[in-house]
Amino acid sequence: DAMVIQNPRYQVTQFGKPVTLSCSQTLNHNVMYWYQQKSSQAPKLLFHYYDKDFNNEADTPDNFQSRRPNTSFCFLDIRSPGLGDAAMYLCATSRDRGAQNTEAFFGQGTRLTVV
Amino acid sequence: KNQVEQSPQSLIILEGKNCTLQCNYTVSPFSNLRWYKQDTGRGPVSLTIMTFSENTKSNGRYTATLDADTKQSSLHITASQLSDSASYICVVVREGGGNKLTFGTGTQLKVEL
Repeated sequence: DAMVIQNPRYQVTQFGKPVTLSCSQTLNHNVMYWYQQKSSQAPKLLFHYYDKDFNNEADTPDNFQSRRPNTSFCFLDIRSPGLGDAAMYLCATSRDRGAQNTEAFFGQGTRLTVV
Repeated sequence: KNQVEQSPQSLIILEGKNCTLQCNYTVSPFSNLRWYKQDTGRGPVSLTIMTFSENTKSNGRYTATLDADTKQSSLHITASQLSDSASYICVVVREGGGNKLTFGTGTQLKVEL
């Protein structure tokens, strides 16, 4: 059974048109992460939530925002997508963030295409 | 700088053969090392997690080793299957880093008939 669910799997958006990607989890984990993965590259952490506490990475563009209305859901908002934002967006969760062996569970990803 | 480097970048093997993938890291202080399998167009799936005190860990046909002194890890795949074709990513977690994952760029494995 899927534990981290991302919707949609594929998203096509127009240049400059706001788009929202969705992630939900059934694990009741405290931490939710958003990663951007471009072709043949390692995933890059954009930000994460520890419960309601938002933690932005220093090099994440302002164009990327996130919301976590409750434990189960987390959204990635791209305010004005550019061609360079086309990528796979991965959501992940973990029970905690400080302990060793805290497993991270990834969703299937959303492939974003900007036209 | 905290980095994770993997080799080879890509690998092609015949079905039924074994292979070993390498991972070197400079992440410090070290907390744990993970190997993930990522199928094309999918999210990564965890294979193994090893802490400082663990030298080897197996998950079916996958066996990971860790040498924390030399900061090296390997993933050995036994009796490869076509379904093993994927990217294998080494990930290192820094102690006190808030479980932040440092990813390698992966080894792209293709298993052929």
